[in-house]
Amino acid sequence: DTEVTQTPKHLVMGMTNKKSLKCEQHMGHRAMYWYKQKAKKPPELMFVYSYEKLSINESVPSRFSPECPNSSLLNLHLHALQPEDSALYLCASSHGSREQFFGPGTRLTVL
Amino acid sequence: DQQVKQNSPSLSVQEGRISILNCDYTNSMFDYFLWYKKYPAEGPTFLISISSIKDKNEDGRFTVFLNKSAKHLSLHIVPSQPGDSAVYFCAAVNQGGKLIFGQGTELSVKP
Repeated sequence: DTEVTQTPKHLVMGMTNKKSLKCEQHMGHRAMYWYKQKAKKPPELMFVYSYEKLSINESVPSRFSPECPNSSLLNLHLHALQPEDSALYLCASSHGSREQFFGPGTRLTVL
Repeated sequence: DQQVKQNSPSLSVQEGRISILNCDYTNSMFDYFLWYKKYPAEGPTFLISISSIKDKNEDGRFTVFLNKSAKHLSLHIVPSQPGDSAVYFCAAVNQGGKLIFGQGTELSVKP
């Protein structure tokens, strides 16, 4: 298995909702990442987990809350989001600190 | 401070011809570089990488060239195919293991 999977593919939520994004990889990678991407812009790093511990938080607002239940899974819990948070949310994983492999993303729309 | 720059936002090439995508960087401490390809509403796909100890890496139709003295790298695609039409991101790995992305170049390969 050489891919990163993400669910759901699309998500529409209101500003008072609580939802979660899920990411899974079975490549044995020890680093996992959350990125946010707006149309035709480069991905912006949000969080990095290394060996299941949060190692980087790029000053992301607390309405985004990451969780790494085990070495294969990464979640992003969403609460009280704003319309400007609408974007493609990407998960990635890597074996070391070189190539990162991205999932297909979750297209999030906040109404 | 943009450490990785892709100065051409778009490039149009005829099918069968060579596509050359360029990338410049400012930090001489970068020692690993990657190219990603991205279709709309999908995650970036890793294409090819190069270490700073090399000046060329080739994989099928894709070749990456690195000129360390000029702090410049380029991706050559030959022959170009319509399916290569996408946004291409150049990225450097910084000393903390983070990917520093360029702004992307949108390649259009016309039949």
